[in-house]
Amino acid sequence: AQSVTQLGSHVSVSEGALVLLRCNYSSSVPPYLFWYVQYPNQGLQLLLKYTTGATLVKGINGFEAEFKKSETSFHLTKPSAHMSDAAEYFCAVIKAAGNKLTFGGGTRVLVKP
Amino acid sequence: NAGVMQNPRHLVRRRGQEARLRCSPMKGHSHVYWYRQLPEEGLKFMVYLQKENIIDESGMPKERFSAEFPKEGPSILRIQQVVRGDSAAYFCASSPPGRDSDTQYFGPGTRLTVL
Repeated sequence: AQSVTQLGSHVSVSEGALVLLRCNYSSSVPPYLFWYVQYPNQGLQLLLKYTTGATLVKGINGFEAEFKKSETSFHLTKPSAHMSDAAEYFCAVIKAAGNKLTFGGGTRVLVKP
Repeated sequence: NAGVMQNPRHLVRRRGQEARLRCSPMKGHSHVYWYRQLPEEGLKFMVYLQKENIIDESGMPKERFSAEFPKEGPSILRIQQVVRGDSAAYFCASSPPGRDSDTQYFGPGTRLTVL
């Protein structure tokens, strides 16, 4: 069985500061990994994904994540937070294409001016 | 290319009524997934369908819930005899066949309120 753990249900950052959201997973097979963002009362938007190849993945809105197999982690970062980054972020894992996504509990990001 | 469409966006039902949630996948997508987001809980998988087939329904409650994806028309998630605990946001996602089939694209959700 797969599981995803996101450390910290709430994160507060100052505008212009580094955003770091942590995600660890457990999976019996090498998974595909995703980060989604959810703005209030909206659906989920794909930020980035890792399937194979380069372990540092760049996504939209200046976000990137690094897959570290030895640490079973897929942390999300952005060098400089913007007010528009205030949202809830979900890490998710899938065993293979055509499978269900297993989500972490989500991290709500608050950006302070 | 329009994204995943869900309607209605908001649905209010009284206890005991039926709720029908509709999802039209992105053009060219043949896989549909339903997820539920309960208040203060994460997103949980419910069911995975392809045209006219249920592939995985391991996340569906055993009673009152059903889903279909007919040959023509949208996918439907049906909840019979709703109870207050069914109040949640229901999200549909779709994925294409082929190379990008590992990626699910989400609709805006239907927010169900049971009075």
